[in-house]
Amino acid sequence: QVQLQESGPGLVKPSETLSLTCTVSGGSVTSGSYYWTWIRQPPGKGLEWIGYISYSGSTNYNPSLKSRVTMSVDTSKNQFSLKLTSVTAADTAVYYCAGPYGTFDFWGQGTLVTVSS
Amino acid sequence: EIVLTQSPGTLSLSPGERATLSCRASQSVSRNYLAWYQQKPDQAPRLLIYGASSRATGIPDRFSGSGSGTDFTLTISRLEPEDFAVYYCQQCGSSPWTFGQGTKVEIK
Repeated sequence: QVQLQESGPGLVKPSETLSLTCTVSGGSVTSGSYYWTWIRQPPGKGLEWIGYISYSGSTNYNPSLKSRVTMSVDTSKNQFSLKLTSVTAADTAVYYCAGPYGTFDFWGQGTLVTVSS
Repeated sequence: EIVLTQSPGTLSLSPGERATLSCRASQSVSRNYLAWYQQKPDQAPRLLIYGASSRATGIPDRFSGSGSGTDFTLTISRLEPEDFAVYYCQQCGSSPWTFGQGTKVEIK
């Protein structure tokens, strides 16, 4: 059974870069034609797909965030990561990593990132 | 971008009743790549249905999905106390992948 765990700072200052990592256990980040996804949920609101990075390293980002998002995979640590630049208060949300395909069988528990000075 | 519109926004029902949730897409969902998730407070969503009608592993058979093209339905045949939650539909047939805004099923 694949398990996912997000990690990273819970507080980021406006205009800075949000950086999160998702550690995959119980499976390999590069196996099985997987697509590893980031999703966010502002407090009290719905879910927003941020984008994915595939097992081969190809990426697909939500056009609404594309100019600020970068995703990467670290095969040595069995992790994948999210960077979101130039954050504002509107980026305050619970961030989830999920996978392994276009529908999400596996989710991390989520991590709240607050953008505030 | 495919916009998914869920209705109703809130459904007030009693345990034992049948719940019918709708998800309408602004254009046809390719290959019926439509999923349903359940989310309880302070928890990550849980996959219920994928491919419009296939139950995910471990999901009770009181949950069923149907539909194709632009109109999809999640039915809970008899509500159990643990089924009161928010439900989201999601499509991954076209990029960007999108979610509906959610339907809250609350106890009447």
